Amino acid sequence: RKEVEQDPGPFNVPEGATVAFNCTYSNSASQSFFWYRQDCRKEPKLLMSVYSSGNEDGRFTAQLNRASQYISLLIRDSKLSDSATYLCVVNRAENTGFQKLVFGTGTRLLVSP
Amino acid sequence: DGGITQSPKYLFRKEGQNVTLSCEQNLNHDAMYWYRQDPGQGLRLIYYSQIVNDFQKGDIAEGYSVSREKKESFPLTVTSAQKNPTAFYLCASTPTAISSGNTIYFGEGSWLTVV
Repeated sequence: RKEVEQDPGPFNVPEGATVAFNCTYSNSASQSFFWYRQDCRKEPKLLMSVYSSGNEDGRFTAQLNRASQYISLLIRDSKLSDSATYLCVVNRAENTGFQKLVFGTGTRLLVSP
Repeated sequence: DGGITQSPKYLFRKEGQNVTLSCEQNLNHDAMYWYRQDPGQGLRLIYYSQIVNDFQKGDIAEGYSVSREKKESFPLTVTSAQKNPTAFYLCASTPTAISSGNTIYFGEGSWLTVV
């Protein structure tokens, strides 16, 4: 089982739709959670951190469920420019104390006119 | 502008050759990282450096080498021992070694193709 698992998609949605992605993680000791956006052939960029109480940034809402070990990303009123791959990222503490980031394979979103 | 600069953006390597990817940051960050991304896979950590003159192996260090002689520079050498080097390579940095809430910044990446 992968440490961070995501549905690869693609999710094909029309403009204006609401779409949700889930991500599950296996390490119950993980403390930090993030969603990154990656455009085709580009570097990942931070979309938002995910906080225990859930958080919202404009059209984007992130939720964390520690009991079930999953995080979610909800995108409302999808725009064409939202088309990208969304990476779920979770931290893992190594024995040395180094906090390693573990990346999911990403969920691809395609928003059509 | 502050950021991470990777070069070259595209590189073609013949089998058996070593190549070096450059990574320079002017963010005054202590920690730097190299990741590899293959199609359909997540980013995998190759090497990381928490401070100048120190670096550690990540999950897939075999066939790679790094140095950290200056705070702003963290070059990656892909050696001939790396059997499947064709991939997208990403350099990244954080203010300190990754800790809770620490945002990681990425360079624009380097595409390496073996011909």
